[in-house]
Amino acid sequence: DTGVSQDPRHKITKRGQNVTFRCDPISEHNRLYWYRQTLGQGPEFLTYFQNEAQLEKSRLLSDRFSAERPKGSFSTLEIQRTEQGDSAMYLCASNGGGELFFGEGSRLTVL
Amino acid sequence: DAKTTQPTSMDCAEGRAANLPCNHSTISGNEYVYWYRQIHSQGPQYIIHGLKNNETNEMASLIITEDRKSSTLILPHATLRDTAVYYCIVRPRPYNAGNMLTFGGGTRLMVKP
Repeated sequence: DTGVSQDPRHKITKRGQNVTFRCDPISEHNRLYWYRQTLGQGPEFLTYFQNEAQLEKSRLLSDRFSAERPKGSFSTLEIQRTEQGDSAMYLCASNGGGELFFGEGSRLTVL
Repeated sequence: DAKTTQPTSMDCAEGRAANLPCNHSTISGNEYVYWYRQIHSQGPQYIIHGLKNNETNEMASLIITEDRKSSTLILPHATLRDTAVYYCIVRPRPYNAGNMLTFGGGTRLMVKP
């Protein structure tokens, strides 16, 4: 257990539905990251927060994706109008100036 | 960030040393070599990092060549629980504002009884 919690661990949804994932980072970490990982590939960076400010977004983060970290603590990643290509593991990581600590991920399956 | 090249897969006998190579020929002077691993169905886990000196911790040793163009992660006594994908990443440290890691395909290490 790294101290980074993600919920839900698994989500199955139908194409076109909206889904939301939550990440609770290590409490003293001010930086939070979202990554996406498809089968057989390494994780790909999506977005990064420092406290409540979203400082960087990857081009992978289409306009159907939105991430928030309203109070600089937990974060949510919402995917609207899901597509089958969104099926992946969504990983959250936090960092307090040292190394990244990853959660166990939220696996999304879009039918 | 400098690109890394790793073998796609490797096998190792349980109890033997696992030596995982990484080429990073375009590494720049301020870039560190990081190793993470990902056990099946878990998030990546930090293992070790180094700049130019060899490093050792409770998990592994990192050997970096003098020209810094390649490195080797050594698991001295591999166990079945070390079966994972191992990622070699080069990054500046301290991290810049983005601080994201760029993962390649990694090496899938299979430790066999």
